[in-house]
This record gives sequence, structure tokens and C-alpha cells, in this order.
Amino acid sequence: SQKIEQNSEALNIQEGKTATLTCNYTNYSPAYLQWYRQDPGRGPVFLLLIRENEKEKRKERLKVTFDTTLKQSLFHITASQPADSATYLCALAGDGNNRLAFGKGNQVVVIP
Amino acid sequence: GAGVSQSPSNKVTEKGKDVELRCDPISGHTALYWYRQSLGQGLEFLIYFQGNSAPDKSGLPSDRFSAERTGGSVSTLTIQRTQQEDSAVYLCASSLRGGTGGNEKLFFGSGTQLSVL
Repeated sequence: SQKIEQNSEALNIQEGKTATLTCNYTNYSPAYLQWYRQDPGRGPVFLLLIRENEKEKRKERLKVTFDTTLKQSLFHITASQPADSATYLCALAGDGNNRLAFGKGNQVVVIP
Repeated sequence: GAGVSQSPSNKVTEKGKDVELRCDPISGHTALYWYRQSLGQGLEFLIYFQGNSAPDKSGLPSDRFSAERTGGSVSTLTIQRTQQEDSAVYLCASSLRGGTGGNEKLFFGSGTQLSVL
């Protein structure tokens, strides 16, 4: 069956350090992978999209990698700040459809 | 500009009643999605509308769930004879064209928190 797996344990990290989150997928061959941020009581907000032929994508303090051999994406927040505390979700679509499937998300807590 | 708007933000209903949830997408967006998020769970796809094409209803959990999109804009998700397991946050999202294979970002509303007593 198809799965998108993210770490269920919250990541507690000191302010200023780099937070790294992992998204692993099974039985998908995505051409694109997306990351979203979700705050309590709000809908997810789009952060980054990476294509299968891109190894890495950056936006300000965020960096995403996409390894189609390992079937894995890594999401990095450098110089983390308390305002980065949120849940981060990865998302991708199955072959030939437009249904974005989401992982359960990984919570990040940045400690001042 | 206005984002995706959902109403009501909260809905409490009794088991067995019908509920209607509304979504107003971003103007000009042709694709509209409904997802459900239960406590501690990921987003569960429910239904997808793209322009005038037949909707992708493959995620609807039972025939008690239905959705329509009138005039290519506003959408209503209807749950008939609600059950306690229907309690969740119902999220609506829209995108510009409904890209293929996940190549387009989604804009989400803040959701409707549905509680079935």
C-alpha cells in the first residue's frame, strides 16, 4: 500500500540550531514533492515544491532535498527561531492523479 | 486579496442530523479540494473538483458524504445522518489550475471544526 511517513515524535531544538525533518514514501513515484507548515487551528500553508530532477531547493532559511532512489525528502530549517515552531507536512501525488496525499506531519518546537 | 474562506468555523450537531459546510475558493482558481483532518491524524483526501470535469470522489468515506460545486466557484460539503466518527476538521483548498501529479501548490482555508454529539 502507499505510505507517506513522517516522524511522529516532536522535534525539540534550541534556537539558532538547524532542524531536520524526514519524509519517506512507499509505492509512489512522485514527480513533485511539497512541504507545508500548519499552525494550531489553521489550515496548512505552502512552503516549497521540489521536482524529481532537482536535488535541492532553498527558500530563505529553508532547504529541501529530494532523493528518488531513497524515496525520501529532507526538510531543513537553519538558524531556527521560536516562530518556526509548528507542524510541517510533506505531500505528494500518485501517478497520473491530482490528489495530493499528505504525511501526518512532524511537530517542531524551537526553544528560546 | 482574499484567501479561501470556509464557514462555519465551528459546527456542533447531534448524531443523525445533516450538516452543510461551505467553501469559497480564491477567485479564479479552477481546482477545489476537500480534506478531513481528525485529531492527531494526517489530512485525508475526500473529493476534488477541476473546472467542468467530473469530480474525483474517490476519497468520500461513505454515501452519507456528498459535495457539489456550483458555477465553478463555491462548494458545499454535505454530511447526512452524522455519526460521532465524523467529528473532525474539514479543510477546503483551491489551486489555480489543478496541476498534474502534484505540481501546483494548494491554498487552504482555516477549516470547519465539526463536533457530532
